[in-house]
Amino acid sequence: GAVVSQHPSRVICKSGTSVKIECRSLDFQATTMFWYRQFPKQSLMLMATSNEGSKATYEQGVEKDKFLINHASLTLSTLTVTSAHPEDSSFYICSARDWRGADTQYFGPGTRLTVL
Amino acid sequence: KNEVEQSPQNLTAQEGEFITINCSYSVGISALHWLQQHPGGGIVSLFMLSSGKKKHGRLIATINIQEKHSSLHITASHPRDSAVYICAVSTGNQFYFGTGTSLTVIP
Repeated sequence: GAVVSQHPSRVICKSGTSVKIECRSLDFQATTMFWYRQFPKQSLMLMATSNEGSKATYEQGVEKDKFLINHASLTLSTLTVTSAHPEDSSFYICSARDWRGADTQYFGPGTRLTVL
Repeated sequence: KNEVEQSPQNLTAQEGEFITINCSYSVGISALHWLQQHPGGGIVSLFMLSSGKKKHGRLIATINIQEKHSSLHITASHPRDSAVYICAVSTGNQFYFGTGTSLTVIP
């Protein structure tokens, strides 16, 4: 079946540094990838929609200069948390939409970010 | 009011029991997803439904489009089924997520 991978699975960084998270679709091409954030004991919150070759669309309240998203190829999207702060500590999840099926979406396993 | 409501929020069951988790939604959807979140945080997509019923192993998912309701059933539950189960719906352009049901299966 379709697989979406994320790297790293866990990252700990110091406040003020930037962290890049990769999301890859391993056996299909994804024209659209989504980035979610999960706060403790809450459901997933959509941060942004990333379309290959164009600028990401951010949800209201999500700082685009803080969370940089790049979708440079049909199999890779990256989320960079810039100048990370402890409040950015969270679980970040990506999903990828298979270009062959408008609503076929596969989720990555997530990345746990801890900012000290 | 949330677009997606799940019940129960928490569920504890004895091993072997039949489990049902319910999901109701208020928007027009193109598909409904059931997701499983393991204690470490990883998420697995269990089912994507637009009508009827799907079965995978001990898991069964049903959806009633007219009633805007879906159920996830687990037959012969096992401790390894302990996880958070999340219902999500898509309208074609947007996803809405439920808050999840935390399931604990006791040996």
